[in-house]
Amino acid sequence: KAGVTQTPRYLIKTRGQQVTLSCSPISGHRSVSWYQQTPGQGLQFLFEYFSETQRNKGNFPGRFSGRQFSNSRSEMNVSTLELGDSALYLCASSEGPKNSPLHFGNGTRLTVT
Amino acid sequence: AQKITQTQPGMFVQEKEAVTLDCTYDTSDQSYGLFWYKQPSSGEMIFLIYQGSYDEQNATEGRYSLNFQKARKSANLVISASQLGDSAMYFCAGWRGQGAQKLVFGQGTRLTINP
Repeated sequence: KAGVTQTPRYLIKTRGQQVTLSCSPISGHRSVSWYQQTPGQGLQFLFEYFSETQRNKGNFPGRFSGRQFSNSRSEMNVSTLELGDSALYLCASSEGPKNSPLHFGNGTRLTVT
Repeated sequence: AQKITQTQPGMFVQEKEAVTLDCTYDTSDQSYGLFWYKQPSSGEMIFLIYQGSYDEQNATEGRYSLNFQKARKSANLVISASQLGDSAMYFCAGWRGQGAQKLVFGQGTRLTINP
């Protein structure tokens, strides 16, 4: 099986712009989660989707949004970018049951200048 | 809510030695799970091992084993016969709460294997 695929790998944007990140989960996985990783805050949960519905949301401003499509692929959007949004954004998929591990992609490294 | 603590920011170990990475957790849930992930410099988070709170035996996966002590609320990762390729960041993680499909991570331990 192919792993979790995230595109693009690297992005450079300027303040005020918006960005869309894409994630294709492992085939058969219906749960997709997004995490932000920064040196200062570590790994923080953004949101989780299951069958096109957002099930959980972390403590991030409304500028961060996401969606999931019928084929389980997911996109994450950040509007009005700020310098502090520079981070590694990791997408993870899982089969769904609580003890099933999250399988992560390689991440998208976003730099905001 | 779950809290994960990793107290070792960095560790240096000689190749072929065993290494223990510490993780303590704090949860009021009766049913919970703990994970360990490895993150090389490439950025990908690689799942290593899982321990459920009701599992009777400590989890093992190849060279990885989990020293799970419920009373101490610790879930330490043991890597036997370390290799140069084990150099990476290691994260302990747990579910944030009952029914919540979201992980809370510790701050990580940077492991360096010396030849």
